[in-house]
Amino acid sequence: EVQLVESGGGLVQPGGSLRLSCGASGFAISSCWMHWVRQVPGKGLVWVSRIHGDGNEINYADSVKGRFTISRDNAKNTLFLQLNSLRVEDTAVYYCASQRWLQGSAFDIWGQGTMVTVSS
Amino acid sequence: QSALTQPASVSGSPGQSITISCTGTNSDVGGYKYVSWYQQHPGKAPKVMIYDVNNRPSGVSNRFSGSKSGSTASLTISGLQAEDEADYYCCSYTSTKNYVFGTGTKVTVL
Repeated sequence: EVQLVESGGGLVQPGGSLRLSCGASGFAISSCWMHWVRQVPGKGLVWVSRIHGDGNEINYADSVKGRFTISRDNAKNTLFLQLNSLRVEDTAVYYCASQRWLQGSAFDIWGQGTMVTVSS
Repeated sequence: QSALTQPASVSGSPGQSITISCTGTNSDVGGYKYVSWYQQHPGKAPKVMIYDVNNRPSGVSNRFSGSKSGSTASLTISGLQAEDEADYYCCSYTSTKNYVFGTGTKVTVL
């Protein structure tokens, strides 16, 4: 069964840091683009970042550029998101999603999400 | 990058058809075929319903269909069923090599 499982969320103070992980099973993340998407509870989906299978191309939303870093460890089949200089407005559920191009450009597999709460 | 514009809510009776619009610009929806639609039930992860404007993944009901005209994409749900009640989001690739989601539409089955 193909699956993504996020972890690493929690409560952090403004200005703090957190590292999210997304473990994949049933497929190799090295063969696809991987994305992070976030959602404030009760609000809409917001695209955050993506990384190519070989890690050589990375893109970020303007709202997180310079503060968040996406990376991957293909040997461990795991995606990461390093969150630095966190702000209250970064509070959200963070989802990882794959884009395997088996269904065109769709984000075809999603994790269950991990909650990040930024509060003093 | 501003979110794509969707109606906040759409409703219909069982068996009816509804259409959700998703309006962007020439830099996103109007410029690429990479428009997808996602269904999200409360507390659940999103699920792809349509990809690349008008393609349906295997396992998704043929009651769901997509189209695009200029910078506006649309999702149509025909033969509305109670299980279709959920939030729906469009998503498009953009000229800045990012992706942008729509504002989301709550579908209510009356």
